[in-house]
Amino acid sequence: GAGVSQSPSNKVTEKGKDVELRCDPISGHTALYWYRQSLGQGLEFLIYFQGNSAPDKSGLPSDRFSAERTGGSVSTLTIQRTQQEDSAVYLCASSNKQGQYGYTFGSGTRLTVV
Amino acid sequence: LAKTTQPISMDSYEGQEVNITCSHNNIATNDYITWYQQFPSQGPRFIIQGYKTKVTNEVASLFIPADRKSSTLSLPRVSLSDTAVYYCLVGGAGSYQLTFGKGTKLSVIP
Repeated sequence: GAGVSQSPSNKVTEKGKDVELRCDPISGHTALYWYRQSLGQGLEFLIYFQGNSAPDKSGLPSDRFSAERTGGSVSTLTIQRTQQEDSAVYLCASSNKQGQYGYTFGSGTRLTVV
Repeated sequence: LAKTTQPISMDSYEGQEVNITCSHNNIATNDYITWYQQFPSQGPRFIIQGYKTKVTNEVASLFIPADRKSSTLSLPRVSLSDTAVYYCLVGGAGSYQLTFGKGTKLSVIP
């Protein structure tokens, strides 16, 4: 596609429920990244996928967070047993190579845990 | 990852040139300097990237002194639509764990 697409754009969920966030990267981009942005804060790195290599999960805040990337394209970020502190905007980005030419971000999914 | 320091906020009138400076004293030899712009409810948008000296594109210019310990993003003749948060990032090839600080909130005043 022309840009990075994320869905849903907004998600309100009850504490304790599981949520899935989807990211469609730019076609041909081998690298895909997930970030989290809390209100008024900078972006927090979560996870990185590059081609068929094992992902770098070092930024995931807890074992309730997981992500997959199927067929080197679409990625799903799953948060299990959501907590109120999980409320944030979850941003996906993709790039060619490893970001030397900049990342293209999606518009994000605003997650609110009530 | 090199840490960056930039002003929290800046105000400017429409039509003026705006210069936002970022300090990155610990920049490594293979690090690039990249600037992003973020509007409310949107993801950051790539503006410009450079390694040394000066880079210019249709949106902005990036000035990097010889020691590369700082960089300045220059926005010519800003308009109201340039009101956004601007992030300076430093990282090299393979540096995918971009560390975004809080950025500089630019407010353009009519």
